[in-house]
Amino acid sequence: ETAVFQTPNYHVTQVGNEVSFNCKQTLGHDTMYWYKQDSKKLLKIMFSYNNKQLIVNETVPRRFSPQSSDKAHLNLRIKSVEPEDSAVYLCASSSDWGALYEQYFGPGTRLTVL
Amino acid sequence: GDSVTQTEGLVTLTEGLPVMLNCTYQSTYSPFLFWYVQHLNEAPKLLLKSFTDNKRPEHQGFHATLHKSSSSFHLQKSSAQLSDSALYYCALSALNNNAGAKLTFGGGTRLTVRP
Repeated sequence: ETAVFQTPNYHVTQVGNEVSFNCKQTLGHDTMYWYKQDSKKLLKIMFSYNNKQLIVNETVPRRFSPQSSDKAHLNLRIKSVEPEDSAVYLCASSSDWGALYEQYFGPGTRLTVL
Repeated sequence: GDSVTQTEGLVTLTEGLPVMLNCTYQSTYSPFLFWYVQHLNEAPKLLLKSFTDNKRPEHQGFHATLHKSSSSFHLQKSSAQLSDSALYYCALSALNNNAGAKLTFGGGTRLTVRP
């Protein structure tokens, strides 16, 4: 099956802890993204990578750091979570980083910070 | 910077009535426009995207026309179905210098279709 896969589906943690989310795509795409979808369903880009190189880095707190081992994987680490980090984190990929390319989304990881 | 505005946060319709979801945008560069749909507990999926040659994209009965003069890309369907109930996002993508392309999303419109 070719798709975008994310683990875990859900994660509950306490303020100050470190969390890591994994994303893998089997579509053979060159570009991957992380988005944050908050409780009001606002969807915002956080990072994008093309062939393991960071190409978009929006204004996100320093505690967020993306990690790419190869073009099929893009993980997200949050060093010390805060309550406002509670959200759904969506991973996506596209065949290239041009403006017209369709993005394919994973099912998301729901983070709850207590 | 780029921005997308969807004026209605919530639209409720009766099955069989026409659908129109508004989308206007602002962009420094000449952008491409998209509609993504997210059904409950699913990932967002592409519904439509604008063409470079002014053709009107259509999919699953939905269509949208890019009007550069009014910076709009409204989503329309002639007859709503129960299965159309979902969250609809209008999005813009433009190449910004060396920053690469990124999708800028509107706030989303939740469409509920009632029997």
